[in-house]
Amino acid sequence: GQQVMQIPQYQHVQEGEDFTTYCNSSTTLSNIQWYKQRPGGHPVFLIQLVKSGEVKKQKRLTFQFGEAKKNSSLHITATQTTDVGTYFCAVLVRNQFYFGTGTSLTVIP
Amino acid sequence: NAGVTQTPKFQVLKTGQSMTLQCAQDMNHEYMSWYRQDPGMGLRLIHYSVGAGITDQGEVPNGYNVSRSTTEDFPLRLLSAAPSQTSVYFCASSGWDGQETQYFGPGTRLLVL
Repeated sequence: GQQVMQIPQYQHVQEGEDFTTYCNSSTTLSNIQWYKQRPGGHPVFLIQLVKSGEVKKQKRLTFQFGEAKKNSSLHITATQTTDVGTYFCAVLVRNQFYFGTGTSLTVIP
Repeated sequence: NAGVTQTPKFQVLKTGQSMTLQCAQDMNHEYMSWYRQDPGMGLRLIHYSVGAGITDQGEVPNGYNVSRSTTEDFPLRLLSAAPSQTSVYFCASSGWDGQETQYFGPGTRLLVL
C-alpha cells in the first residue's frame, strides 16, 4: 500500500511553544489531507493541499505541501491546551485513503 | 443533519461470534468507508464504496464483509470474530466535493475475547 511516514510519533510541549509534525512519501502525491483526533474522539478533517509548494493557514495552524509534492507539514504556533490530540496526514490514491501513523501532541499548561 | 452515525458504541464478542457494525449517513454522500484504528498504526482502510451497489477492498479486508444496498447505509460484518479484530472501528463518508473531505462517525469499540 501507499506508504506515508509521519514523524514524530509523540510530542510534548509547554503551552505557548510551537509544534510541527511532518509527513513524507517516497512517491509524488497528488494531494494530502490533515485530520485532528481529540482523545477518545473521532478524526476531524482540517484541510486538503493539492498544489506544489502550497501553504494554507487556519488561525495558528500553517499547512505546507512540498515543492516536489512528496512531503507536507503542519505547524502550530503558540500551542494551547485545546490543541491536544493526534494529528494525522492522509493521502487519497485510486479511491483509497492511506493515513500516516499520527503525531500525538501533549500540551503542558 | 446527524452526519455519520454508528452503532453500537461498544461491543464485547467471544471468539467465533459474528456481528454487524452499523453505519449510516444523511448527507447523500456517494463515498463511504470503514477503518480500524489500533495503537501506533493510524487508521487502516478495511473496505470502501463509491456508490450504492459498489464495494471494494481496502488495505486490511480479511475477516470482514460489506454491502451497500442504499446510499445511506454501509454495514460492516465480522464473519467469525478473532482477538486480532479487537480495535476501534470508524465509518466515514465523503461527498467528493472537490476536497474529498471525509466525515467520520463516533466509532465502535470492539473487544473480542
